[in-house]
Amino acid sequence: DQQVKQNSPSLSVQEGRISILNCDYTNSMFDYFLWYKKYPAEGPTFLISISSIKDKNEDGRFTVFLNKSAKHLSLHIVPSQPGDSAVYFCAASRVEGNKLVFGAGTILRVKS
Amino acid sequence: NAGVMQNPRHLVRRRGQEARLRCSPMKGHSHVYWYRQLPEEGLKFMVYLQKENIIDESGMPKERFSAEFPKEGPSILRIQQVVRGDSAAYFCASSPTGGTEAFFGQGTRLTVV
Repeated sequence: DQQVKQNSPSLSVQEGRISILNCDYTNSMFDYFLWYKKYPAEGPTFLISISSIKDKNEDGRFTVFLNKSAKHLSLHIVPSQPGDSAVYFCAASRVEGNKLVFGAGTILRVKS
Repeated sequence: NAGVMQNPRHLVRRRGQEARLRCSPMKGHSHVYWYRQLPEEGLKFMVYLQKENIIDESGMPKERFSAEFPKEGPSILRIQQVVRGDSAAYFCASSPTGGTEAFFGQGTRLTVV
């Protein structure tokens, strides 16, 4: 039962362009969503989060959009840089439950 | 402020042996989570602990796996009688309060031979 889905296993983007990573969820009880970035042989690093009372949160080059009716969120990276090449995980939680449910990840490659 | 520290980084065990994975949370963090990542998969929740208490162990296999977070010292994930299917990366995360973003350690890569 995959409650959080990242349907694109990989994405390739030219340096300077926008990267858009997508995530869908099925559990309507989720009310807190996060994006993590992971390099090989390292732990995930927190990037940005959004609570269900908002539809957008911005932090520098990273913006997360949440569409609750569609149960969909996306991460926009503008402009993309070669150092952004990594695996990106979408995660969701119920604040009361605390644990994170992760998607399978999307490999982002930014070409220079 | 040191991050979440996990050791060892790499652990090789023969089938049937015990594996002990350690996690020291960030200073001031009293909430610890363990996750497992199998090859080509996302991270899967295993257990959530606060000091001396297991809050949620719904992701832990019922047999051979146990976790603790004592009053003093690191959190320990213990796997008894390891099998090849236990080979994975095990990540620990900590947070100051439940429900906020968690900070992850670098993981322990367990290989069962």
